[in-house]
Amino acid sequence: GIQVEQSPPDLILQEGANSTLRCNFSDSVNNLQWFHQNPWGQLINLFYIPSGTKQNGRLSATTVATERYSLLYISSSQTTDSGVYFCAGGRGSTLGRLYFGRGTQLTVWP
Amino acid sequence: GAGVSQSPSNKVTEKGKDVELRCDPISGHTALYWYRQSLGQGLEFLIYFQGNSAPDKSGLPSDRFSAERTGGSVSTLTIQRTQQEDSAVYLCASSRIEGSGYTFGSGTRLTVV
Repeated sequence: GIQVEQSPPDLILQEGANSTLRCNFSDSVNNLQWFHQNPWGQLINLFYIPSGTKQNGRLSATTVATERYSLLYISSSQTTDSGVYFCAGGRGSTLGRLYFGRGTQLTVWP
Repeated sequence: GAGVSQSPSNKVTEKGKDVELRCDPISGHTALYWYRQSLGQGLEFLIYFQGNSAPDKSGLPSDRFSAERTGGSVSTLTIQRTQQEDSAVYLCASSRIEGSGYTFGSGTRLTVV
């Protein structure tokens, strides 16, 4: 299978701070996604980003496929950003099994 | 429906009993996935259905686990003779062929006592 390493494992921020989360893959992936799991357990898809850069409000992500890593940027963090951020990748184009990292636990304090 | 629907949301069962978990994917999504998440852990792949193709069952942990998808829509995950180590949140997701990523349901929290 594909090994997925996420860093840092834990991150504590004050509201308004910026942060960068990283995801490294042991092998090439064509299907790379970022998810946020809120404190109630719901997983929300943030980005489908096999390559390049995407932005959605205060969040943006960049994937460098040739170097097998992806970054998630959170700007001006808010308490509602708290939760666990997972990255996942797979060998399929859009479909198929994803291999998940163990996540980054983010806590944003007011 | 607008989202992926899973039922029941919670299930407590006695060790040795069989359980069935249901997933209703987003209409038009051809792919359906089952994962499970144990307390404080990442997501463990179980099974993947795509259209009429044979499912990828490579993640099923034992022959006590099985799943089917009827009519390319609703899926049922069945766990026979449940064990305490089966306790986890079982998550279903669906996706389209185009690159839009997974949509997860809210999960079924299974507790085996």
